[in-house]
Amino acid sequence: NAGVMQNPRHLVRRRGQEARLRCSPMKGHSHVYWYRQLPEEGLKFMVYLQKENIIDESGMPKERFSAEFPKEGPSILRIQQVVRGDSAAYFCASSPRRDSGRRPQHFGDGTRLSIL
Amino acid sequence: TQLLEQSPQFLSIQEGENLTVYCNSSSVFSSLQWYRQEPGEGPVLLVTVVTGGEVKKLKRLTFQFGDARKDSSLHITAAQPGDTGLYLCARGSNAGGTSYGKLTFGQGTILTVHP
Repeated sequence: NAGVMQNPRHLVRRRGQEARLRCSPMKGHSHVYWYRQLPEEGLKFMVYLQKENIIDESGMPKERFSAEFPKEGPSILRIQQVVRGDSAAYFCASSPRRDSGRRPQHFGDGTRLSIL
Repeated sequence: TQLLEQSPQFLSIQEGENLTVYCNSSSVFSSLQWYRQEPGEGPVLLVTVVTGGEVKKLKRLTFQFGDARKDSSLHITAAQPGDTGLYLCARGSNAGGTSYGKLTFGQGTILTVHP
């Protein structure tokens, strides 16, 4: 998984706090995808971003969750007022261009979010 | 929602045995990808199949895409403990839709190979 960098690798928050998850895509990649994975389950799509634009946020909860991918710097997944159900592994993937499924997405090693 | 059904959900075998994992959908795939994920890590792409009837081999792993592009299988020959992990199939978006860029994953098959 070299290339897509996520930090922190582990994040512990208390209920009601904010969680910020960062993702730096592979060099040369301008498309970023966020997925969430519950224990022993597959990954669920959350949001797809291109530099400064949200392309598809159909998998994002309507409240408390937001994502951005600024012109400079990493992509940020922000969760406000966290609840226990937000505990999961959050994965970021990147691709060099819009992925139609034929150009693979490269995944980071994820951020494990634990809510106390 | 275009679902992917993976089976079996759990597979526990002895070293040297063969196994097959299945991935099925009621709708046609534009392409299908297989990933392997180890604990504490992100998924790693194994293969992408795009043509109906396509067969791809990766050492002891054989991937097949159904003729109608609605199903796929992963066959592992002479499994080794190093094959242990979570195997995920994922479909790309259908061409022309607004859901491009989104991968839809199956729920995964947890494979354990005992020495």
